[in-house]
Amino acid sequence: EDQVTQSPEALRLQEGESSSLNCSYTVSGLRGLFWYRQDPGKGPEFLFTLYSAGEEKEKERLKATLTKKESFLHITAPKPEDSATYLCAVQASNAGKSTFGEGTTLTVKP
Amino acid sequence: DAGVIQSPRHEVTEMGQEVTLRCKPISGHDYLFWYRQTMMRGLELLIYFNNNVPIDDSGMPEDRFSAKMPNASFSTLKIQPSEPRDSAVYFCASSLTFNQPQHFGDGTRLSIL
Repeated sequence: EDQVTQSPEALRLQEGESSSLNCSYTVSGLRGLFWYRQDPGKGPEFLFTLYSAGEEKEKERLKATLTKKESFLHITAPKPEDSATYLCAVQASNAGKSTFGEGTTLTVKP
Repeated sequence: DAGVIQSPRHEVTEMGQEVTLRCKPISGHDYLFWYRQTMMRGLELLIYFNNNVPIDDSGMPEDRFSAKMPNASFSTLKIQPSEPRDSAVYFCASSLTFNQPQHFGDGTRLSIL
């Protein structure tokens, strides 16, 4: 059974204080790993897709990386508007569905 | 381009009543997913469709839950009879193909009293 574990559950940062969120996964053949951002009262919003170990994607202050066992979402010099819950999901090569982690809730204080 | 549209946004009803949640996926997307999100269990996949055909309903908790997709632009999730433990936020999502990211609606917040 595919499993996704995200850590930490919650992260509080000061504005400008860089950090990383972790997504550890177990899957029978990875087709893709997805990162989403979810704001309160909204549905998850797609950020990145990573397909193979060593791949990296960047968008503004966010950079996602992938190894064979985990993915990191690095946040550089965060701003209060980066506060949200970040979800990681994996899709196995033999599946049409994704398995989601429980998420990391990030709070960035000004 | 309109995103995934869900209705209603909020639903409050009494235990035992029938509840119907509605979803309009993004035009041209072949896959449609129904999820339930709670604090305790996170985001759980209930069922997904490919080209209007249910592919995997192993996440549907009980026979009280049913989902249909009569055409490419409409799906429903029905709970009958509803119970307080069904209270959650229900999301619908769609994707272009099986390996593309999912686009989520803003959810229906369901409260069963």
